[in-house]
Amino acid sequence: QKEVEQDPGPLSVPEGAIVSLNCTYSNSAFQYFMWYRQYSRKGPELLMYTYSSGNKEDGRFTAQVDKSSKYISLFIRDSQPSDSATYLCAMSSMDSNYQLIWGAGTKLIIKP
Amino acid sequence: EAQVTQNPRYLITVTGKKLTVTCSQNMNHEYMSWYRQDPGLGLRQIYYSMNVEVTDKGDVPEGYKVSRKEKRNFPLILESPSPNQTSLYFCASSLAGVGKSYFGPGTRLTVL
Repeated sequence: QKEVEQDPGPLSVPEGAIVSLNCTYSNSAFQYFMWYRQYSRKGPELLMYTYSSGNKEDGRFTAQVDKSSKYISLFIRDSQPSDSATYLCAMSSMDSNYQLIWGAGTKLIIKP
Repeated sequence: EAQVTQNPRYLITVTGKKLTVTCSQNMNHEYMSWYRQDPGLGLRQIYYSMNVEVTDKGDVPEGYKVSRKEKRNFPLILESPSPNQTSLYFCASSLAGVGKSYFGPGTRLTVL
């Protein structure tokens, strides 16, 4: 079993829909949770960063962490075609020298 | 502008011909790492460095070497490349203990 599980998709939704992307993990020591967005032929870029549990909102994006369920989510409101990309979750802990453990990434397609 | 640069961006080479991919960051980050990204396998860490002269193996270090003689630079060396090292390579940097990684634009390597 992988430490971080993420559905590879693709996930295809119409423009304007609310998108929900998820990752589950097995290591309860993870403290830092990140979402990266990767456009085709580009490097990943940090989208959201959360420490421990709770919610964080930034514009149309909301990140949620549920440590009791070992489950993190990224919500995108009013999705746009420009949101079409691969979304990767990543997490780390002090125990592992903050080495990032990655999900496989979910390919998201927003249809105009 | 804060950035991570990689060179070359594209490289086609032959089996056994030594090559170096350079990586440089201008953010004074302590932590640097190299990843390879392959379809269906996601991002896999090759090597990482927590500071100058401190390097450690990631998940897939076989066939690769690194060095960290200066804080800003972290070159990846393939002493004798093989076709199974054909991949997309990313360099990343972050402040130590935080995990917010900033990625370079990627180097697409083909080994014939």
